[in-house]
Amino acid sequence: KQEVTQIPAALSVPEGENLVLNCSFTDSAIYNLQWFRQDPGKGLTSLLLIQSSQREQTSGRLNASLDKSSGRSTLYIAASQPGDSATYLCAVCANFNKFYFGSGTKLNVKP
Amino acid sequence: GAGVSQSPRYKVAKRGQDVALRCDPISGHVSLFWYQQALGQGPEFLTYFQNEAQLDKSGLPSDRFFAERPEGSVSTLKIQRTQQEDSAVYLCASSLETLGTGELFFGEGSRLTVL
Repeated sequence: KQEVTQIPAALSVPEGENLVLNCSFTDSAIYNLQWFRQDPGKGLTSLLLIQSSQREQTSGRLNASLDKSSGRSTLYIAASQPGDSATYLCAVCANFNKFYFGSGTKLNVKP
Repeated sequence: GAGVSQSPRYKVAKRGQDVALRCDPISGHVSLFWYQQALGQGPEFLTYFQNEAQLDKSGLPSDRFFAERPEGSVSTLKIQRTQQEDSAVYLCASSLETLGTGELFFGEGSRLTVL
């Protein structure tokens, strides 16, 4: 079974700092990897989707990379803002219809 | 609709009661997923539909859990004889891709509390 780990579990940074969230997975046979954001009491919002053939994806201040062979992905957030405070989850798609999620990194950006 | 809609948002049930949770996916989305999310954890896969066909129900924790999508759009997750361990947020997601590998769009979830 695919195991997805996210480090750190929680992170607190001052506003304006650049930061990196890490995601690792045990089985490199994946279709794609997605990063999500979850606000308290809310559902998940898709941030970036990286296909298995891609190395990275960018959207605004967010950049996600994928190294399938080493089973790792990083989410880079530039110039963090208080509105970025949320839990960030990564999920890998395996077995064509199963997404395996990590437990998330809870980010707090202090004004 | 514009997004995935789930109802009810909150449900409190007494142990032993049956509950039904509804999901209305994005119009035209072929794939529909149900996930269960415990507090502080990532979502765990329950079941997957491609149109009206339930292609994977390997994540359903027991035979008390049943899901259907009879016309290939709205889906219902039913939990019979609820137990305290069923307390969780139940998330529905839909995707345009037929293979179930596409970008997932989630609803806001239904938070079930079993007393």
